[in-house]
Amino acid sequence: DVKVTQSSRYLVKRTGEKVFLECVQDMDHENMFWYRQDPGLGLRLIYFSYDVKMKEKGDIPEGYSVSREKKERFSLILESASTNQTSMYLCASSLVGNQPQHFGDGTRLSIL
Amino acid sequence: GENVEQHPSTLSVQEGDSAVIKCTYSDSASNYFPWYKQELGKGPQLIIDIRSNVGEKKDQRIAVTLNKTAKHFSLHITETQPEDSAVYFCAASEPSNTGKLIFGQGTTLQVKP
Repeated sequence: DVKVTQSSRYLVKRTGEKVFLECVQDMDHENMFWYRQDPGLGLRLIYFSYDVKMKEKGDIPEGYSVSREKKERFSLILESASTNQTSMYLCASSLVGNQPQHFGDGTRLSIL
Repeated sequence: GENVEQHPSTLSVQEGDSAVIKCTYSDSASNYFPWYKQELGKGPQLIIDIRSNVGEKKDQRIAVTLNKTAKHFSLHITETQPEDSAVYFCAASEPSNTGKLIFGQGTTLQVKP
């Protein structure tokens, strides 16, 4: 069965900290995605990776960066966390092209 | 770029009734339209999807219809059950065929026993 695993379900950090969110998929998918979910705004794409070491900005990349050194792992980095980055973060993966995306269960991040 | 609007934002039905959620999209080149269900504390799960060469698709109590001319698609749930209560998201593919999806704002469905 398809599995996307996010390393933390809940995380509390302080403003100014560098924060790492990790995501691993076991399906050999080429595409991986990081979304942010806020009430009333749906899922907004932060960054997208279509291959190892390849990345593309999504709709809201400001304040974030990503790393994909291995095909199965996609990391989201908050360079200097701010309170407006308090949110639910969702990772997803898919095969190349327009294929179903498979989601992890999310990391609820609070920045104090 | 592509934009997806989803209505209603909340929907309350009695158990056994039908529920309909509607989405419109802006770019006629979009060709893939999935629907996701998100239960409390979980990530979204794909429940049904449709491609632009098909007008309707059914899977037991769930169906999706696509009107390419009007650029809208709808999710129909018949004989609703309390376990159908969740947040539902529609999405449309970006025309670039990279695999990126644009999501609607979500609909919270409550099924009352």
